Amino acid sequence: AQKITQTQPGMFVQEKEAVTLDCTYDTSDQSYGLFWYKQPSSGEMIFLIYQGSYDEQNATEGRYSLNFQKARKSTNLVISASQLGDSAMYFCAMSGYNQGGKLIFGQGTELSVKP
Amino acid sequence: DTGVSQDPRHKITKRGQNVTFRCDPISEHNRLYWYRQTLGQGPEFLTYFQNEAQLEKSRLLSDRFSAERPKGSFSTLEIQRTEQGDSAMYLCASSSAGRSTDTQYFGPGTRLTVL
Repeated sequence: AQKITQTQPGMFVQEKEAVTLDCTYDTSDQSYGLFWYKQPSSGEMIFLIYQGSYDEQNATEGRYSLNFQKARKSTNLVISASQLGDSAMYFCAMSGYNQGGKLIFGQGTELSVKP
Repeated sequence: DTGVSQDPRHKITKRGQNVTFRCDPISEHNRLYWYRQTLGQGPEFLTYFQNEAQLEKSRLLSDRFSAERPKGSFSTLEIQRTEQGDSAMYLCASSSAGRSTDTQYFGPGTRLTVL
């Protein structure tokens, strides 16, 4: 069975600093995708960044980057130069090649950016 | 390019009533997913369609829940005889059918409150 674990229920970061949100996963699929979504208080899930299991380079997307360590089954999200608008819930999720594309989500990490 | 839309955004109903939610995916996307999210949790998979075919249903989807995607475009999720435990955010997402690991884009969600 697939599982996503986010061990940080809440994180604080000072504006303009970088922050790392942790995510570990477990799967028996050889081919899988790892995703990060942001959920502001409005409730909409906003796609941030994707990492494929066969990608050799860490994914980057603007201020977002992933520290993907396949052997350790972790895919940590790094947000650089934090902004007040980054305050939200962040969810790590995965889908497997044999799972029909359905996403398995972690419990989420609530990020608060301080001015 | 319009994103995923959901209607209504909020629904308050009395226990025992039936409710129906609608989701309109991104126009060129063949796959459509329904998730349920309760307070403080990550979304949980309910069901998904590829075109008009419903390919998988979660065990979370009791007999009171039914979903359709009659022409492979919009989808509806109906809950019959609602219970207080059905109170949650219902999220719809869509993706192209190229790979199981394709990115899913979410709508704004329908927040259901059962009194």
